[in-house]
Amino acid sequence: QKEVEQDPGPLSVPEGAIVSLNCTYSNSAFQYFMWYRQYSRKGPELLMYTYSSGNKEDGRFTAQVDKSSKYISLFIRDSQPSDSATYLCAMSSFRGSYIPTFGRGTSLIVHP
Amino acid sequence: DTGVSQDPRHKITKRGQNVTFRCDPISEHNRLYWYRQTLGQGPEFLTYFQNEAQLEKSRLLSDRFSAERPKGSFSTLEIQRTEQGDSAMYLCASSKKGLAGAEQYFGPGTRLTVT
Repeated sequence: QKEVEQDPGPLSVPEGAIVSLNCTYSNSAFQYFMWYRQYSRKGPELLMYTYSSGNKEDGRFTAQVDKSSKYISLFIRDSQPSDSATYLCAMSSFRGSYIPTFGRGTSLIVHP
Repeated sequence: DTGVSQDPRHKITKRGQNVTFRCDPISEHNRLYWYRQTLGQGPEFLTYFQNEAQLEKSRLLSDRFSAERPKGSFSTLEIQRTEQGDSAMYLCASSKKGLAGAEQYFGPGTRLTVT
């Protein structure tokens, strides 16, 4: 079993929908939880990160962490075709530099 | 701030040849990371530097791989005697010291194809 599990999808939604992307993990030592967006053949782009449990909002994006369930989510409101990409979750614990462990990514398709 | 840059963007090489990739981090970032990403997978950590010191290497980094960051600025990743299994996207990221490693900024990657 991998430390970080993420459904690869694809997840297909209509424009304007609320999207929910999720990851589960097994390492209770993880302290930082990140979401990256990756367009095809490009490098990952950091969307947001949270420390420990709770919610964080940035524009149309909301990240949630439930450490008791070892479950994190990214919600995208009013989804747009330009949101079509692969979304990677990543998590880290203190090992000198918080080197993250990535999920395999979920492919999201937002159709007009 | 021009972001993290990587060169070349694409490299096709024959099995057994050596290849070298370059990464230029964001100028004020003193931490630099290398990752490898294959199709349908997330990035896998290879190694990281704080300034010119290589502080950690993954078990994935075989003896054929070597990385340097001689003056604490740009970094190079060399693969000797390439194998077909080395075909992947090689990503570089950088971050500031003092911020969590959570806040890493990635370059566009170098796509390596070994024929």
